[in-house]
Amino acid sequence: QVQLVQSGAELKKPGASVKVSCKASGYTFTDYGIIWVRQAPGQGLEWMGWTSANYGNTKFEQKFQGRLTMTTDTSTSTAYMELRSLRSDDTAVYYCARGGAAGDYWGQGSLVTVSS
Amino acid sequence: EIVLTQSPGTLSLSPGERATLSCRASQSVGSSYLAWYQQKPGQAPRLLILGGSSRAAGVPDRFSGSGSGTDFTLTISRLEPEDFAVYYCQQYGSSPPYTFGQGTKLEIK
Repeated sequence: QVQLVQSGAELKKPGASVKVSCKASGYTFTDYGIIWVRQAPGQGLEWMGWTSANYGNTKFEQKFQGRLTMTTDTSTSTAYMELRSLRSDDTAVYYCARGGAAGDYWGQGSLVTVSS
Repeated sequence: EIVLTQSPGTLSLSPGERATLSCRASQSVGSSYLAWYQQKPGQAPRLLILGGSSRAAGVPDRFSGSGSGTDFTLTISRLEPEDFAVYYCQQYGSSPPYTFGQGTKLEIK
């Protein structure tokens, strides 16, 4: 069965970076892209970006341009999302999902807390 | 950027009733590139509907999606206890960002 398993919770200081991993199984990793979505506490969903699994193509929400890097490692079927220059309003649960723009299978989420 | 507005914000219904959730886009969502998700507390979103009206794998047929252009609807024909959750629409038809609506909370009356 398709599964996306994400890395654990992180506590970061303002200005730091965080890298969240998303390990896929149960399908051919290179056949689908990965999208990243975040959800601040008590808030709705925010689409962050998309990456292809094997060609390095990416699409970003413009507000994250310059701070967000999405990569994949096809040898381990793992996607990564790195967000830099963290601020307190980056505190959220970060999700990966399989798909091109909409996500059909989702990871369990990774809580990133930004606090001094 | 396409803005999606969902209504109502909260919908209070009883099991067995019919639920109708609305999602309106600020401009046309080409070729019905509209998805619906269900999210329960502490869980990741679950894809229900893709392409405006196609149910995702394993989704019960009491869930249906309709609409085109700027107006879309998610209908749950007869509510089951497990259907009470927050529902989000998402458009993915234009250039990024592929925005979400703010959500509709479906609660037990």
